[in-house]
Amino acid sequence: GESVGLHLPTLSVQEGDNSIINCAYSNSASDYFIWYKQESGKGPQFIIDIRSNMDKRQGQRVTVLLNKTVKHLSLQIAATQPGDSAVYFCAENEGNNRLAFGKGNQVVVIP
Amino acid sequence: KAGVTQTPRYLIKTRGQQVTLSCSPISGHRSVSWYQQTPGQGLQFLFEYFSETQRNKGNFPGRFSGRQFSNSRSEMNVSTLELGDSALYLCASSQEPGQTNSPLHFGNGTRLTVT
Repeated sequence: GESVGLHLPTLSVQEGDNSIINCAYSNSASDYFIWYKQESGKGPQFIIDIRSNMDKRQGQRVTVLLNKTVKHLSLQIAATQPGDSAVYFCAENEGNNRLAFGKGNQVVVIP
Repeated sequence: KAGVTQTPRYLIKTRGQQVTLSCSPISGHRSVSWYQQTPGQGLQFLFEYFSETQRNKGNFPGRFSGRQFSNSRSEMNVSTLELGDSALYLCASSQEPGQTNSPLHFGNGTRLTVT
């Protein structure tokens, strides 16, 4: 992904295993959170979102968990595939579509 | 539906020049946002437009400006380019702000290199 650079946390996972990516957010007033996936040479791609009135939301092979008490988000990817190799970002909506992004986590899937 | 389209894909400019980047949102999307992405700073918000009005602006100098047209297409301009402006500039669109489940959808960006 484009933000891959120095000191990007990296998660190496065996193909077929589950992946968990964690993210801490800063604003306790944020009410909408989004996970994005960014592959090399591409823009961030929407994966899944969650509102603050929920603590869990499931999509296709992905689950987002929200813990407002500790301001923590996680993204779980089931049965990780080689195509899941990318940089993953969490983002919180600060209002009027102003997103504050985390630094990103690199996921490397080992075949 | 076509995605967010950004042109040009790559651009090389020299210091002191200015540049204009273009973005066509997803059909029906009225909000357009711009972000700068660099390895050091990550993704940073530049500004957001809705109905041709800038509603929100990030912490960038006045050399960075933008506008939105009546068809929701948007442009951003950077004047007096500096080496540090080298980055991937991303445009994102969404449906009318305030709607539930209205995530931003990003284009693939314009890679600007300033020499």
